[in-house]
Amino acid sequence: AQKITQTQPGMFVQEKEAVTLDCTYDTSDPSYGLFWYKQPSSGEMIFLIYQGSYDQQNATEGRYSLNFQKARKSANLVISASQLGDSAMYFCATRSGSARQLTFGSGTQLTVLP
Amino acid sequence: DAGVIQSPRHEVTEMGQEVTLRCKPISGHNSLFWYRQTMMRGLELLIYFNNNVPIDDSGMPEDRFSAKMPNASFSTLKIQPSEPRDSAVYFCASSNDLGGFTDTQYFGPGTRLTVL
Repeated sequence: AQKITQTQPGMFVQEKEAVTLDCTYDTSDPSYGLFWYKQPSSGEMIFLIYQGSYDQQNATEGRYSLNFQKARKSANLVISASQLGDSAMYFCATRSGSARQLTFGSGTQLTVLP
Repeated sequence: DAGVIQSPRHEVTEMGQEVTLRCKPISGHNSLFWYRQTMMRGLELLIYFNNNVPIDDSGMPEDRFSAKMPNASFSTLKIQPSEPRDSAVYFCASSNDLGGFTDTQYFGPGTRLTVL
């Protein structure tokens, strides 16, 4: 069974500053993927970034980067230079090689302050 | 390219009525997922299709729920009869499943269902 834990229900960050959203995972499968999605108040789920368990380097996608620490089973999302439009709920998710569905965490509500 | 399309975006119905949610996956994707999002349970998988065949329906709550995928470009999720506890946001997602664990799932905008 897979499990995702997001311990920060809510986070605040000042505009233009960087913010880290925490995610820890638990899976017994050696092959897995880690994903981050953004859900703004309008409700849609927007894919941001993924990391494979065998990737040697941390994934980056524009202002998003994933701080992957395999030994600690953590996959934190780093957003650099926060913008007001980054205010949203952020979900961490995992998918192992043997399962096709995503297992989601409970989410972190990020608020960017002007 | 068009993303995943869902309809309707909002549905309000009365208890006991039949509800049908529709989804058009991204063209070329071979896997389709139906998820439900509630405050109490978060995001949970209801059913997953691969090449139009249901693979895992263990998340379907009960016999009132049924899903079909008659072709590669269309899927429906039906609730009959609907109950107030079915009120939730229902998401459809699709992916190009190549057998790996990093195949990305792309979500539709969701259908917000309210059962009175």
